[in-house]
Amino acid sequence: GAGVSQSPSNKVTEKGKDVELRCDPISGHTALYWYRQSLGQGLEFLIYFQGNSAPDKSGLPSDRFSAERTGGSVSTLTIQRTQQEDSAVYLCASSLAGDSSDTQYFGPGTRLTVL
Amino acid sequence: GNSVTQMEGPVTLSEEAFLTINCTYTATGYPSLFWYVQYPGEGLQLLLKATKADDKGSNKGFEATYRKETTSFHLEKGSVQVSDSAVYFCALSASGGGADGLTFGKGTHLIIQP
Repeated sequence: GAGVSQSPSNKVTEKGKDVELRCDPISGHTALYWYRQSLGQGLEFLIYFQGNSAPDKSGLPSDRFSAERTGGSVSTLTIQRTQQEDSAVYLCASSLAGDSSDTQYFGPGTRLTVL
Repeated sequence: GNSVTQMEGPVTLSEEAFLTINCTYTATGYPSLFWYVQYPGEGLQLLLKATKADDKGSNKGFEATYRKETTSFHLEKGSVQVSDSAVYFCALSASGGGADGLTFGKGTHLIIQP
């Protein structure tokens, strides 16, 4: 079956511009996660969605970051007024029910480069 | 808070050598433990997992045992192949639901030479 898909695969933007990253989870998975992978910080958890419930935003690195999930499926991560330190690979994952023992399945990522 | 510590490498071995990648963790309660692997040019994929103490996860000849007394989840393989060259990440998911996401170690870059 189809895995987690993300778009775009690569995004180059100028400092100060807004960007939107999209994630399409595995069909039937209620839990969706966003992570950031960078050389300096490794893999960082950003935000978690369970179905249509409002997420806990405390893991987002700054108030320039926001995320939403429409209809309990597709999610978008938006970064406003991008900075060079936002350059990283943004990964999305989904799991069946969001239990701590569930396997998270990762998408291929979006590589963001802020010039 | 939760944390995972693993050797960062790079670790370079010859084909058919024995592999151990150490992983220790700090967490409250009873976390679930995972090893993820990232092959060159590919995304993160689950290698194996264990969800309670003394469980052993295994896959593709790799094994790891959840040791609560030593808070460890070391990855082992008896005979590595060139195709095992990749970056390996140890991770935990805190008990009580997945809302905190996975906490990852820094990753271990493994290079297997023929």
